[in-house]
Formats: sequence, C-alpha cells, structure tokens
Amino acid sequence: EAQVTQNPRYLITVTGKKLTVTCSQNMNHEYMSWYRQDPGLGLRQIYYSMNVEVTDKGDVPEGYKVSRKEKRNFPLILESPSPNQTSLYFCASSFSSISYEQYFGPGTRLTVT
Amino acid sequence: DAKTTQPTSMDCAEGRAANLPCNHSTISGNEYVYWYRQIHSQGPQYIIHGLKNNETNEMASLIITEDRKSSTLILPHATLRDTAVYYCIVRVNAGNNRKLIWGLGTSLAVNP
Repeated sequence: EAQVTQNPRYLITVTGKKLTVTCSQNMNHEYMSWYRQDPGLGLRQIYYSMNVEVTDKGDVPEGYKVSRKEKRNFPLILESPSPNQTSLYFCASSFSSISYEQYFGPGTRLTVT
Repeated sequence: DAKTTQPTSMDCAEGRAANLPCNHSTISGNEYVYWYRQIHSQGPQYIIHGLKNNETNEMASLIITEDRKSSTLILPHATLRDTAVYYCIVRVNAGNNRKLIWGLGTSLAVNP
C-alpha cells in the first residue's frame, strides 16, 4: 500500500532533550516536506527536500534540522526542543515539487514540557 | 499569509450537495487552486485542483469563476464521512519550491 509513515505518533518530552521524528514513504517520491499545525495558524512548512541530499528551509525552520540521505526517508530533528515546539507535525511527499497531489503522513503529536 | 478566505463552518444534510465557497482575489495567473480536506487530526487528503477550467473527479467538482477570484468545491452527495475541515489553497512559486499556502479552512458538518 502506498503510504507515508511517521514515528512516533505521540511523544511527550522535556525541554532540551534531543528527539527525532522519522518519516518514510514507499512511493519513490522525490519531494518531501515537513509541516507543523497549530490552532489558529494552519499548516506551516518547516523544511522541504527536492531530492536526496537537497534540503531547504520553509517558513518556520528555526529550532529544526532535517536530512535526506535516502530517497524514502526524511527525518525531522529537534536538537533542543522547547515548549513552543509543542505541535502536530505532518510529513508529506509527492513525485516532484510541481506534482499536483501531496501525500500526507498520519501526524505526530509532540508535547514539550 | 494565506491567499484564500473561507467560511469558518458550514452544515449540510446527508445526501445533499455541499457547496464550499472560497475567495482568492489576489491569485496570480499561473497559480493553481487546490482543495484538501482533513478528517479529525489525520493527515490532509488531496481532493482536486484547477487553474482556469472547471474540474471534476470521483470525489468532487471544482468551479472556478472566469475572473479566477473565487471558486466553489462541490461534493455532490455528501455523506457523514465527508465531515471534515476543507482547505482551499493557492500554490505559489517560491523559487524552486511550489509551496502550498494553507489557511484555516471550512469545518463542514454533514448531518443525518
């Protein structure tokens, strides 16, 4: 089944403890992206990747890192999480940046205390 | 900032058509209009997109006005499973990134 998977789905952590949210797609998509969703603000793009080893900042990249060493994986790294990074995170992928349809993962709900 | 405005919420009776309006008066000539929906807090799901012409697929129809300043998503026979937040989105060209600019969407409640 074609899908985007994220792990973990739920995470409660403390300020400053490094964490990684994994994202994997099995559709051989070139373009991958991370979003965060907050009440009253909608979805905002954090980082995106046009292809392996090609990543760039989205609208809200501060406090996040990404890597794209393999085509299928696009992990989101929070080196030193803070409470303002408490949010619902979505990974998405598409064949390319100009593809019409993005496929979204199920989401990761992160709480930083 | 979002380039679209939508009603905050709408209701629809099951089996009836749901017509969701969207204003995008500042859209540029080469920017597409997309519709996605999000059920509860699941990942958004693509519905349909268009540039100038009306479009139809197995899920919905998209009607775009001739001046492209507004559009309407039509769910022809709404079911309870169509209860969701519907996002009207403009895709902008930001360098090499074709970015979706998300607003807050319309919360559609389909009632029995």
